[in-house]
Amino acid sequence: GENVEQHPSTLSVQEGDSAVIKCTYSDSASNYFPWYKQELGKGPQLIIDIRSNVGEKKDQRIAVTLNKTAKHFSLHITETQPEDSAVYFCAATMGFGNEKLTFGTGTRLTIIP
Amino acid sequence: NAGVTQTPKFQVLKTGQSMTLQCAQDMNHNSMYWYRQDPGMGLRLIYYSASEGTTDKGEVPNGYNVSRLNKREFSLRLESAAPSQTSVYFCASSGLRGGRIPGELFFGEGSRLTVL
Repeated sequence: GENVEQHPSTLSVQEGDSAVIKCTYSDSASNYFPWYKQELGKGPQLIIDIRSNVGEKKDQRIAVTLNKTAKHFSLHITETQPEDSAVYFCAATMGFGNEKLTFGTGTRLTIIP
Repeated sequence: NAGVTQTPKFQVLKTGQSMTLQCAQDMNHNSMYWYRQDPGMGLRLIYYSASEGTTDKGEVPNGYNVSRLNKREFSLRLESAAPSQTSVYFCASSGLRGGRIPGELFFGEGSRLTVL
């Protein structure tokens, strides 16, 4: 089955700086890569996703890049703000449904004011 | 907008006791899921229901049972709780995007279960 590794497990950045979280996956057939954000005491929430037919996708301060050859994808957050502090999970699936989604182990991002 | 509602939010059990976690969604989604979240292990799928009347095992189904009561409700039962089942449990649902592509997962706020 799919195996997703996520790094780093914790990340602290100064407010206004950029943050990058990286994930690698094992199954070259994987074709959908979402990122979820989990705030304290809440369930995860989708923030951005990318499919294997594109290399980059941006949504305001958030971007995701995908390198299919190397089997890795990354989340980039620019101009970080205190509300970006949360746990971020990457995920990958080769299946058509969410039941095949494999999550990474999470990155706790702390924005230092 | 309630979204996905889970009950209870907190529960303490003794080893061997049974309990049921309830989940309901009001988004008319076909698919529902139960995950567990443990430190350093991300989210792992326990069971899922692709549509009303069907249920299937996920990655870690041992020790659990589920019931898809109707389109809105999906319950998770622990028949004989063990300390290894101490975890935070999340229910989620998803519909179809554009009528065909699986949509995002919508999660509840979680149920923290401690088994002594």
